[in-house]
Amino acid sequence: NAGVTQTPKFQVLKTGQSMTLQCAQDMNHEYMSWYRQDPGMGLRLIHYSVGAGITDQGEVPNGYNVSRSTTEDFPLRLLSAAPSQTSVYFCASSLDRVEAGELFFGEGSRLTVL
Amino acid sequence: QKEVEQDPGPLSVPEGAIVSLNCTYSNSAFQYFMWYRQYSRKGPELLMYTYSSGNKEDGRFTAQVDKSSKYISLFIRDSQPSDSATYLCAMSANRGSTLGRLYFGRGTQLTVWP
Repeated sequence: NAGVTQTPKFQVLKTGQSMTLQCAQDMNHEYMSWYRQDPGMGLRLIHYSVGAGITDQGEVPNGYNVSRSTTEDFPLRLLSAAPSQTSVYFCASSLDRVEAGELFFGEGSRLTVL
Repeated sequence: QKEVEQDPGPLSVPEGAIVSLNCTYSNSAFQYFMWYRQYSRKGPELLMYTYSSGNKEDGRFTAQVDKSSKYISLFIRDSQPSDSATYLCAMSANRGSTLGRLYFGRGTQLTVWP
C-alpha cells in the first residue's frame, strides 16, 4: 500500500527559481492538503482541496500555488523561491471531512532555498 | 494568539514513567481533538481521536478533553523508549470559517530513556 507519496524527498533551490512538489495518493481520498513544518512553528496549512477542481487557501498561502485536476494528485508550486520557504513540506489526505476523519501524511519533502 | 498552544519541551523521562502532554486552545468551536505522533524524519500519524469532551483510552494511551477549560491532555502509561517522538495535538470545528481545516500545536518532543 503506497498511501501518500511525495517527490522529491530533498531539493535545493536558488532564490528566484520555481519548482513543483508532487503529491499523489492511492486511497481515493477526497480531501488533500499541504503543510509546512518549521522549528518552533509547528505544522501550518498552506493550501487544501476538498475534491477535484476545488482548492482553497490555508494559513500561509503566499508564494505557493496549487491545482487539483484529479482526485489522486495535488501538486504544490513554488512560483519564485525565497529563503523563507526553506522548510519541510508535508502532503496529507483524508477520506472526506478532515475535521471528523484521519489525516494520512506523506514522508515529507525537505526544501532548502539558498 | 495562536489558535492552539503546546509546550514544545523537550521532555525527557525514564522508561516506565507516566507522561502527560497538554494543549490549550482558544476557539470554543473546536469539537474534534486528535493527537498525532511523529517520529524523526517521518510524517505524523494519528494516535488518538476524541469527539467533544471526555476521556478515551487505547492501551497505554489516554486522551482527555476538558472543553470548559479549553484544555486537552494525552497520558502515556508505562512509557517505552519506542514512545520517543514528537507529539502534536490537533483540533477542528464542524462549522464556520474553520471548516475543512485542522489546527496543530507546535508539538512536544519526548525522549524516553532506558
